[in-house]
Amino acid sequence: DVKVTQSSRYLVKRTGEKVFLECVQDMDHENMFWYRQDPGLGLRLIYFSYDVKMKEKGDIPEGYSVSREKKERFSLILESASTNQTSMYLCASSLVAGVAGTYEQYFGPGTRLTVT
Amino acid sequence: AQSVTQLGSHVSVSEGALVLLRCNYSSSVPPYLFWYVQYPNQGLQLLLKYTSAATLVKGINGFEAEFKKSETSFHLTKPSAHMSDAAEYFCAVSDINTGTASKLTFGTGTRLQVTL
Repeated sequence: DVKVTQSSRYLVKRTGEKVFLECVQDMDHENMFWYRQDPGLGLRLIYFSYDVKMKEKGDIPEGYSVSREKKERFSLILESASTNQTSMYLCASSLVAGVAGTYEQYFGPGTRLTVT
Repeated sequence: AQSVTQLGSHVSVSEGALVLLRCNYSSSVPPYLFWYVQYPNQGLQLLLKYTSAATLVKGINGFEAEFKKSETSFHLTKPSAHMSDAAEYFCAVSDINTGTASKLTFGTGTRLQVTL
């Protein structure tokens, strides 16, 4: 069964702290994604990675960085957390789009981050 | 850039009534389209996907969606709502020209309420 896991379901951090959100997938997927979800705004892509050590900025990368040292693991880093980064963070993974078409993304359960 | 519009941030139906959730996309070429469902405090789960095969797509839990190119729409329907269908629903579109990454653009979501 397909599985994407995230290190924490709920996290509370203080302004200025460095925050690490971890995501692991067990499906040998090439692509991994980080989104943030806010009410009324849907899901917005922060960063994605299509291979180990490869990354590309999404729509809202400011204030975030990522790391992908192993194929199964994709980390989101908030270098200096701010209150406007309070949000739900969702990780997803997918196969590379092949001849058969784009493959769907599989999502983890999410991490609800509160920055105080 | 791709975009997705979901009309109605909240939809309320009675149990047993027809469910209709609207999704319109903008794309210069026929895209791949997805509907996801999110239950409270969970990640997103794929309901169904359109990948240029049949225009009427059947998904899980009795949902289906019809791709209409002339209307650039991909509305989600279910003939008879059940209380367990109460959740948030997201429409997403994939750009087939994104190279190796299967990036999705999500709509802002529609929260479905089912009443007795």
